Amino acid sequence: ELKVEQNPLFLSMQEGKNYTIYCNYSTTSDRLYWYRQDPGKSLESLFVLLSNGAVKQEGRLMASLDTKARLSTLHITAAVHDLSATYFCAVAGGSNYKLTFGKGTLLTVNP
Amino acid sequence: DSGVTQTPKHLITATGQRVTLRCSPRSGDLSVYWYQQSLDQGLQFLIQYYNGEERAKGNILERFSAQQFPDLHSELNLSSLELGDSALYFCASSVGGTSQETQYFGPGTRLLVL
Repeated sequence: ELKVEQNPLFLSMQEGKNYTIYCNYSTTSDRLYWYRQDPGKSLESLFVLLSNGAVKQEGRLMASLDTKARLSTLHITAAVHDLSATYFCAVAGGSNYKLTFGKGTLLTVNP
Repeated sequence: DSGVTQTPKHLITATGQRVTLRCSPRSGDLSVYWYQQSLDQGLQFLIQYYNGEERAKGNILERFSAQQFPDLHSELNLSSLELGDSALYFCASSVGGTSQETQYFGPGTRLLVL
């Protein structure tokens, strides 16, 4: 059974600082997704990473995928308050269409 | 706004009852996915339909069923409701149902079972 672990689960940052969220998964996959969820809201797609070594950047967020290590990272650069949200990674295993989600990382950016 | 719509937004009902949640996918999307989000279980995949056919099944209880209609909207039926079924139910859609596509999530239906 595919397991997805995120850490940390809670992250309190100061504005302007950098930090990284880690997503480890237990079985082979070359498809990994990052989503953002604001309180009481839906999930917003951030990145889709489809191959080993994939790196994608949008604004202050950069995601990467290492399929050999079964690890993805979401790096936050110079955090701002607007980035406060819960971030989920999700992995699709094999040819299965279902996504297995991590528990999420609650990010709070303090002024 | 993802383009995926879900109704109702909120639903309060009693144990033992049956409810139907409705989802309309983005225009042109053939695949619909249902997820349950709760504090203890997190986000869990329930079921996927592609162009009217069931394609993948996850941790969906036997009391739950779903279908996708010819106009591609989908309904999730929850019966014999229990307190533990209280959760946020999301529908997502994607274009063709290939495993490498982004799934776009609707706003969710918040179900409270009393």
